[in-house]
Amino acid sequence: ELKVEQNPLFLSMQEGKNYTIYCNYSTTSDRLYWYRQDPGKSLESLFVLLSNGAVKQEGRLMASLDTKARLSTLHITAAVHDLSATYFCAFGNYQLIWGAGTKLIIKP
Amino acid sequence: DTGVSQDPRHKITKRGQNVTFRCDPISEHNRLYWYRQTLGQGPEFLTYFQNEAQLEKSRLLSDRFSAERPKGSFSTLEIQRTEQGDSAMYLCASSPQPGLAGGREQYFGPGTRLTVT
Repeated sequence: ELKVEQNPLFLSMQEGKNYTIYCNYSTTSDRLYWYRQDPGKSLESLFVLLSNGAVKQEGRLMASLDTKARLSTLHITAAVHDLSATYFCAFGNYQLIWGAGTKLIIKP
Repeated sequence: DTGVSQDPRHKITKRGQNVTFRCDPISEHNRLYWYRQTLGQGPEFLTYFQNEAQLEKSRLLSDRFSAERPKGSFSTLEIQRTEQGDSAMYLCASSPQPGLAGGREQYFGPGTRLTVT
């Protein structure tokens, strides 16, 4: 069965703290995607990870990929309120399989 | 081009009615995708096109759902005899021709929120 497990599903944290969201996927894939979704809005692409050991950073967000472990992480550094959103990981070629999302709330 | 557009943004219909949604992809993108998302869940793949050819269709998609992309540009998704369980956000995405470095990143439209009463 093709599936993606994200954890945690809900995360409430204080501004300035660091945290990591984990994404495990069930089968080999040459691409792993991270998206952000604000309430009532569509999906915004954050990262596309193409190979084992890939690491990408944008501002306070950093994503990495370990294809052998079938694991990707999204690390948040010194969180700020504007990063509050739901974060999804997905894998696949064209037909993407999605996790349930991690709802992140960052309190001032 | 400002991105993927979808029409309508909201649709309320009575059970048993037919509805049709439209998606206009980013103009140079040859791949187009439809997903469905219910509250608190990740998107669920429905179908995708390469140009005008429908290449994949989810087994979860009942016969009441049909999608077309007749000229390889815009696409329509029709739901016949709607049921309350069809209430969801219907998302369209597009992606360009893949190249050596990737090119499969999917760009999403704002979605059409369907409510079946």
